[in-house]
Amino acid sequence: RKEVEQDPGPFNVPEGATVAFNCTYSNSASQSFFWYRQDCRKEPKLLMSVYSSGNEDGRFTAQLNRASQYISLLIRDSKLSDSATYLCAVNYFTGNQFYFGTGTSLTVIP
Amino acid sequence: DGGITQSPKYLFRKEGQNVTLSCEQNLNHDAMYWYRQDPGQGLRLIYYSQIVNDFQKGDIAEGYSVSREKKESFPLTVTSAQKNPTAFYLCASSMVQGGQETQYFGPGTRLLVL
Repeated sequence: RKEVEQDPGPFNVPEGATVAFNCTYSNSASQSFFWYRQDCRKEPKLLMSVYSSGNEDGRFTAQLNRASQYISLLIRDSKLSDSATYLCAVNYFTGNQFYFGTGTSLTVIP
Repeated sequence: DGGITQSPKYLFRKEGQNVTLSCEQNLNHDAMYWYRQDPGQGLRLIYYSQIVNDFQKGDIAEGYSVSREKKESFPLTVTSAQKNPTAFYLCASSMVQGGQETQYFGPGTRLLVL
């Protein structure tokens, strides 16, 4: 079983739509959670950390469900510029390796 | 400017040749990592280092070697033993802030075998 799993998509949504991605993780001891954005042929860039109580950054909302072992990313009012691949990542504890999902592809259509 | 730099951006390797990918960071991060990304396979960890002069194998270390002689530098050598080296190689470093370790990536090196 993979440490982290994501639906690869693709998700094709119209501008202005709300879209949500989920990411499941296998180790209940995981401590830190993240969402990264990766544009085509570029490096992943940190989008946001995911905190236990959930957190929001503008149009982006991240949530953690420890009971069901998943994290989610909600994008409201999608923009064309949101088109990218979104990777989730987990870290068991400081000093340990990070585990990444394979990414979910999002295309926002005019 | 603070950040993680990787060079070269593109690298061509001939069969049987060893090549070294550079990764430098001036963020004063303790930990550094090397990943390989192939289409549809996500990021796979090659090696990581938590402190100078120490490093650990990741999931796909065979055919690769690293060194960590300086905190700022973590070069990756792709040896001739790596039979399928064509991929996008990403270096990362991490810091602990507020009890959480966060990882940041360099711009990557694309390696092509001729």
